[in-house]
Amino acid sequence: SQKIEQNSEALNIQEGKTATLTCNYTNYSPAYLQWYRQDPGRGPVFLLLIRENEKEKRKERLKVTFDTTLKQSLFHITASQPADSATYLCALDEGSSASKIIFGSGTRLSIRP
Amino acid sequence: EPEVTQTPSHQVTQMGQEVILRCVPISNHLYFYWYRQILGQKVEFLVSFYNNEISEKSEIFDDQFSVERPDGSNFTLKIRSTKLEDSAMYFCASSEFIGSGSLRGYFGPGTRLTVT
Repeated sequence: SQKIEQNSEALNIQEGKTATLTCNYTNYSPAYLQWYRQDPGRGPVFLLLIRENEKEKRKERLKVTFDTTLKQSLFHITASQPADSATYLCALDEGSSASKIIFGSGTRLSIRP
Repeated sequence: EPEVTQTPSHQVTQMGQEVILRCVPISNHLYFYWYRQILGQKVEFLVSFYNNEISEKSEIFDDQFSVERPDGSNFTLKIRSTKLEDSAMYFCASSEFIGSGSLRGYFGPGTRLTVT
């Protein structure tokens, strides 16, 4: 079965810097990959989706890349702010039906002022 | 923006009791899901539901669990005989199908289930 690895459990960076989070998967390349934000005690919130035929996707200060050769997605937050502090989850579909979205364990990002 | 709602926000129950967790998905969505998150652990898939039947379920979703869409708006998760290890946050989600098999998940605020 598909496994998702988010390499860093926690990442601390200075405000204003770019945060880069990594997501690797182990088996077949999914048709698409998603990134979510989760705050403590709250449900995940969808941020971005990137399809396998897209190399890069941007939304405001967020950028996602998808490299099917490396089986990896990178998630960047530029000009980071303390309000960006949260856990970021990588998610992808498992199986052919696209009705099972599975999550990585997440990276807890802390932005210090 | 439309939201997924869940009730109750917190449920405390005794081991062996039945619980029903309720969700109202976004009205024009077609796929519905239940996930759980044990404190400090990752969000785990339980079950997906489409066209009034289960599409996928995980190993966690055993005979003690069932889902139902009793009317056009509610989506429920029932645990027949709760165990201590069922204590977790349970999230309901719904998805719109946005083409090419892509599903964007909208999650509810969760129900914290505590089994004593």
